[in-house]
Amino acid sequence: RKEVEQDPGPFNVPEGATVAFNCTYSNSASQSFFWYRQDCRKEPKLLMSVYSSGNEDGRFTAQLNRASQYISLLIRDSKLSDSATYLCVVGANYGGSQGNLIFGKGTKLSVKP
Amino acid sequence: GAGVSQSPSNKVTEKGKDVELRCDPISGHTALYWYRQSLGQGLEFLIYFQGNSAPDKSGLPSDRFSAERTGGSVSTLTIQRTQQEDSAVYLCASSLVYMNTEAFFGQGTRLTVV
Repeated sequence: RKEVEQDPGPFNVPEGATVAFNCTYSNSASQSFFWYRQDCRKEPKLLMSVYSSGNEDGRFTAQLNRASQYISLLIRDSKLSDSATYLCVVGANYGGSQGNLIFGKGTKLSVKP
Repeated sequence: GAGVSQSPSNKVTEKGKDVELRCDPISGHTALYWYRQSLGQGLEFLIYFQGNSAPDKSGLPSDRFSAERTGGSVSTLTIQRTQQEDSAVYLCASSLVYMNTEAFFGQGTRLTVV
């Protein structure tokens, strides 16, 4: 089983739609969780951290389910500018690799007019 | 302040040659990561440095790949006897402290082996 798994998509949605991405992770001892965004031919950038209590930033909501070991990202009222690849990221917490960041392969989102 | 700086931004090399890729992390960042990304693919972990701890080299694909980090700052990724399958964008990132902190990425080095 891969450490971090995501549906690769692509998700093709119209403007204004609500879209949800899920991600599962294999290491139950993981402590930190993030969503990054990567635009075409650009480097990844942090979108938001994911906290146990769930957190919201404008149109974006992130949730963590430790029991099921999955993380979600909800985007409401999607904009054309949301088109990108969304990367699920888990902080490793074992052995000599504490703090290492393990990236999922990403889910591609395309928002159409 | 300056972000993560990588050089060169582009590198074309002949198969069999050695290459060195450089990463200057953000000053004071103790964690440094190397990933590579082939066209249309996800990020592949290569190596991770954290402070003075032994690096996590578990992602290096073969013994042709090595990396070092001098003085806890600049890092160099070396690929010996390059192969065509080494062609990819090599991304470096750094973060202030591990866990729950943002990792900042450089713009990458695009390596093409011909």
